[in-house]
Amino acid sequence: QVQLMQSGAELKKPGSSVKVSCKASGGSFSTHTISWVRQAPGQGLEWMGGIILMFGTVNYVPKFQGRVTITADESTSTVYMELSKLGSEDTAMYFCATSLPYTGSWSYFDYWGQGTLVTVSS
Amino acid sequence: VLTQSPATLSLSPGERATISCRASQNINTYLAWYQQKPGQAPRLLIYDTSNRATGIPARFSGSGSGTDFTLTISRLEPEDFAVYYCQQRTNWLTFGGGTKVEI
Repeated sequence: QVQLMQSGAELKKPGSSVKVSCKASGGSFSTHTISWVRQAPGQGLEWMGGIILMFGTVNYVPKFQGRVTITADESTSTVYMELSKLGSEDTAMYFCATSLPYTGSWSYFDYWGQGTLVTVSS
Repeated sequence: VLTQSPATLSLSPGERATISCRASQNINTYLAWYQQKPGQAPRLLIYDTSNRATGIPARFSGSGSGTDFTLTISRLEPEDFAVYYCQQRTNWLTFGGGTKVEI
C-alpha cells in the first residue's frame, strides 16, 4: 500500500515561491504518476499537474504553466511541487496523489497525501 | 466543465442519496467520484462511472454515460455525511463543484 507524506505548513509573502514535498513509501516509486491537487479554503478541488515518474514526463495545467514546477528525486522517493509568484489566491491546501493503476497516467487519484497548507499573506 | 447538483442534500441516516454530475461535453464513461470529510484528503469511491474502488462498500454505486452521471448511496450511514466530488479525465482532469450531504 502506498503512503504519501507531505511537508509541513508554509507561510509565504506575496511574490515569493513555495516548494512542497511529497515522500512516497510502499510500492515501487518509479511506477507511479504523482499529481498535485489544490483546494482553496471552503472551495473545490483543482488539478495543477503531475509527473510520470518512469519517464520524468511532466504535465501542467495551462493556468499554472510558467509558475509551477514539478520534479522528482528517485533516490529519496520524493516528488516536489514549486509554485512561484505567489498571490493571496494561492492560499490553499495542496495535496499530492497517485494515479490509479491501469487507468492511464492522467486519470483518477487513489492514494493521497495528508495535505500541506500554504498561506500567502503579507 | 462538470456541474454537480444539488449543492447541498439534507437527508437522514437510512435514506437514499442521489447526486448528479453533468458534463459540458461527452466524456464517455471516464468519470470518478470522491468523498471528502472535513480536514481529510478526498477518498476515491468510484472510477470509470461504475467501478467501486478497493474497500468501498456496496451501498455506493455509480451510473451514467456521455454527459449525465449519478452517484447513489443506497442507505446512508452516519459516516457517509460528507462532501462528494465528481472528476473527469477526458479533457485534462477537472472536478465538479461538490455536493454536501448533511444530516
